[in-house]
Amino acid sequence: SQKIEQNSEALNIQEGKTATLTCNYTNYSPAYLQWYRQDPGRGPVFLLLIRENEKEKRKERLKVTFDTTLKQSLFHITASQPADSATYLCALAGYSTLTFGKGTMLLVSP
Amino acid sequence: EPEVTQTPSHQVTQMGQEVILRCVPISNHLYFYWYRQILGQKVEFLVSFYNNEISEKSEIFDDQFSVERPDGSNFTLKIRSTKLEDSAMYFCASSDRALGSGETQYFGPGTRLLVL
Repeated sequence: SQKIEQNSEALNIQEGKTATLTCNYTNYSPAYLQWYRQDPGRGPVFLLLIRENEKEKRKERLKVTFDTTLKQSLFHITASQPADSATYLCALAGYSTLTFGKGTMLLVSP
Repeated sequence: EPEVTQTPSHQVTQMGQEVILRCVPISNHLYFYWYRQILGQKVEFLVSFYNNEISEKSEIFDDQFSVERPDGSNFTLKIRSTKLEDSAMYFCASSDRALGSGETQYFGPGTRLLVL
């Protein structure tokens, strides 16, 4: 069955550092992969989408890479800020479904 | 900016009762979805809906669940006879094209359902 794993449940970093979150998947060949942010008690908010033929995508302080050979995506937040503290979800898209990983909770300390 | 809205924000019900969760998707969107998230667990797909019919549904979406677009703006999820394990946050989402085309989904704020 399809499986999505996000590297750790929680990641603590200091303000100004780069946060790197990992998403690995098995038994799946997605056309593209998405990253979402979820704050406690709120719905997921779309951040970035990367297609299978793209190696890297950037948006402001965010960068996503996608390696279909390794079946892995890396999500980077540079110059992290306490406001970046949230849970970050990786999601793989089917025709009309999204399959989410459990998420990695990021805590950025001042 | 347009957004997906959901009502109520919280619902408490007795086991065995019927509940209807309501959503207003973004107005020009054509694809609608329901997800749920049990406390501390991942967001799970329930059902997708397009052109007035279900496109896909998960194993979770059994005969106790149904969806409807009763008018041009609302999209509802009905749970016929709630069980304790239905307690979760339910998210509605919408998109203007199919996900397989590289579209993104926009999620509502959720309805927290508690079954006692």
